[in-house]
Amino acid sequence: ETGVTQTPRHLVMGMTNKKSLKCEQHLGHNAMYWYKQSAKKPLELMFVYNFKEQTENNSVPSRFSPECPNSSHLFLHLHTLQPEDSALYLCASSQGNGANTGELFFGEGSRLTVL
Amino acid sequence: AQKVTQAQTEISVVEKEDVTLDCVYETRDTTYYLFWYKQPPSGELVFLIRRNSFDEQNEISGRYSWNFQKSTSSFNFTITASQVVDSAVYFCALSALPSGAGSYQLTFGKGTKLSVIP
Repeated sequence: ETGVTQTPRHLVMGMTNKKSLKCEQHLGHNAMYWYKQSAKKPLELMFVYNFKEQTENNSVPSRFSPECPNSSHLFLHLHTLQPEDSALYLCASSQGNGANTGELFFGEGSRLTVL
Repeated sequence: AQKVTQAQTEISVVEKEDVTLDCVYETRDTTYYLFWYKQPPSGELVFLIRRNSFDEQNEISGRYSWNFQKSTSSFNFTITASQVVDSAVYFCALSALPSGAGSYQLTFGKGTKLSVIP
């Protein structure tokens, strides 16, 4: 079992639905990340939060809305998605301070299918 | 801009064979970090190694070894005497020094899917 838990593991939604992905880390880390993994493409960094503050938004469409209420939880709110948004969404965490070794700890991902 | 290229999309080897996964990177940073991650079928990426750009010593960890050559911008990964449990997708990644807040922003390659056949 990893220290990063993602729910749901699988999600099917229509283009007009609103849903959320949840990530929780039990590692005491301060930085959390959302990555998108599509077939045949490199992992794409979407958002970075450090000490609950968003420090990076890699030109992600506004139909993806992140929320980080505390250092242990990260959400990705989804609305009005497109079929091309179907992918595996991976959450990761790391130490967000001078002791950061660069090692990211990943969850098992949420497999999203948009119909 | 940073870029990581893993030219091998899929590799199949027979158990106990040695296999090398290639990684070539591009960066304008003089100091950077290189990583390898393993993604088993369960989905989560597992950290294998981090190397600093100023440390070109090769590293060995059990059956795993890494060959970092700054002159050719390569960071190749070799598995000796492969096992079925090594079957996974392997990702090479690159990061500049973390920002002042301490978060790393990794640029990943597309990954190499390794299948080890019994």
